[in-house]
Amino acid sequence: GAVVSQHPSWVICKSGTSVKIECRSLDFQATTMFWYRQFPKQSLMLMATSNEGSKATYEQGVEKDKFLINHASLTLSTLTVTSAHPEDSSFYICSAGRGRAYQETQYFGPGTRLLVL
Amino acid sequence: KQEVTQIPAALSVPEGENLVLNCSFTDSAIYNLQWFRQDPGKGLTSLLLIQSSQREQTSGRLNASLDKSSGRSTLYIAASQPGDSATYLCAGGSEKLVFGKGTKLTVNP
Repeated sequence: GAVVSQHPSWVICKSGTSVKIECRSLDFQATTMFWYRQFPKQSLMLMATSNEGSKATYEQGVEKDKFLINHASLTLSTLTVTSAHPEDSSFYICSAGRGRAYQETQYFGPGTRLLVL
Repeated sequence: KQEVTQIPAALSVPEGENLVLNCSFTDSAIYNLQWFRQDPGKGLTSLLLIQSSQREQTSGRLNASLDKSSGRSTLYIAASQPGDSATYLCAGGSEKLVFGKGTKLTVNP
């Protein structure tokens, strides 16, 4: 149990376009979802936390108007990278938890690799 | 601000060897400490989670310990196998999960 999927697994796009990444909890209801970003040879960095039905909370330095997060249901959260630029190329990983606090066990998705040309 | 450091950054051992991966953190008020495995280009696989009130957790050949007072955690892997080759990440925090950069482990046949 506690499976999280992401779609797509990888995407290549042109600079200036928008890309949407989906994160789904397949067999449980995810009250909270987290979005992380990982640059090569770097740590995973938390970008934002979203609770179902409310606005996402963004970490310092993450542009909320550039990285749009929607958590409209208990099984789906989406991250839209708007007007993508080459520096947005990264590995994006989501995680989901049953509770509202990060202290709940987080179940991680397989990640989405984004390459912006 | 929580900082998580993992040493060494890379480790290469022969098959069958027992090994220890180290993780240190600056915020002793962590809620829990987690160890993950990440294969190249893949997501995270949770290995062990140690609550702040616990001192260790075991799963098969893996044993993780936590010493909040010294800000350290170790992951012990017994009788290493080539299939254990991966990057191992530790993460902890009091307000959010903060990850280390990981230790890349290579187990040679």
